Amino acid sequence: QVQLQESGPGLVKPSQTLSLTCTVSGGSVSSGGNFWSWVRQPAGKGLEWIGRIYTSGLTSYNPSLKSRVTISVESSKNQFSLNVSSVTAADTATYYCGREGIRADMHVWGKGTTVTVAS
Amino acid sequence: SYVLTQSPSVSVAPGQTARITCGGDNIGSISVHWYQQQPGQAPVLVVYDDNDRPSGIPERFSGSNSGNTATLTISRVEAGDEADYYCQVWDRYSDHVVFGGGTKLTVL
Repeated sequence: QVQLQESGPGLVKPSQTLSLTCTVSGGSVSSGGNFWSWVRQPAGKGLEWIGRIYTSGLTSYNPSLKSRVTISVESSKNQFSLNVSSVTAADTATYYCGREGIRADMHVWGKGTTVTVAS
Repeated sequence: SYVLTQSPSVSVAPGQTARITCGGDNIGSISVHWYQQQPGQAPVLVVYDDNDRPSGIPERFSGSNSGNTATLTISRVEAGDEADYYCQVWDRYSDHVVFGGGTKLTVL
């Protein structure tokens, strides 16, 4: 059974880059047919899709974040990562990684990690 | 980009049926997924591809999708069903994923 675990700093300074990693266990990040995704949720608000990456490396990003977001895969470590540059307080949220099926059905989620942007 | 519209809240008495709707332009032509999120926890997929259930999800959860509205139906509502529910689609034309704003289900 595939499990996901987010990791990374809980506090990031404004204008810096937020970097998170999602470690995949019980399966391979290189297995075909799946997308590896990031979703975030500000406290008390709804879910926001950030973007996803296919095993081939093909990516797709939320247009509202596209200029600041990069998602990549590290197959040798069975991980995938999220970078968000030039962060502001508006990027403060709980960040979830997930595995999507071909129609974006997200059957597997990490527990989430909270990131605060503050000086 | 594609927009999904959900009512902010729905209330239902225990044992009754809750219906949570998700509106979108011609949403009936695309697959809709539904997630349940309990406070402080990650979302859980409860219905995918309009009306399929992942293993472990009770049959009380079902979905339908037609025209401009998709619906998540929860039969014989229990106190433990009280949660936020989100609909989600993949817009294949833009290759973007979209979530609805969420509906808070209150069990009276």
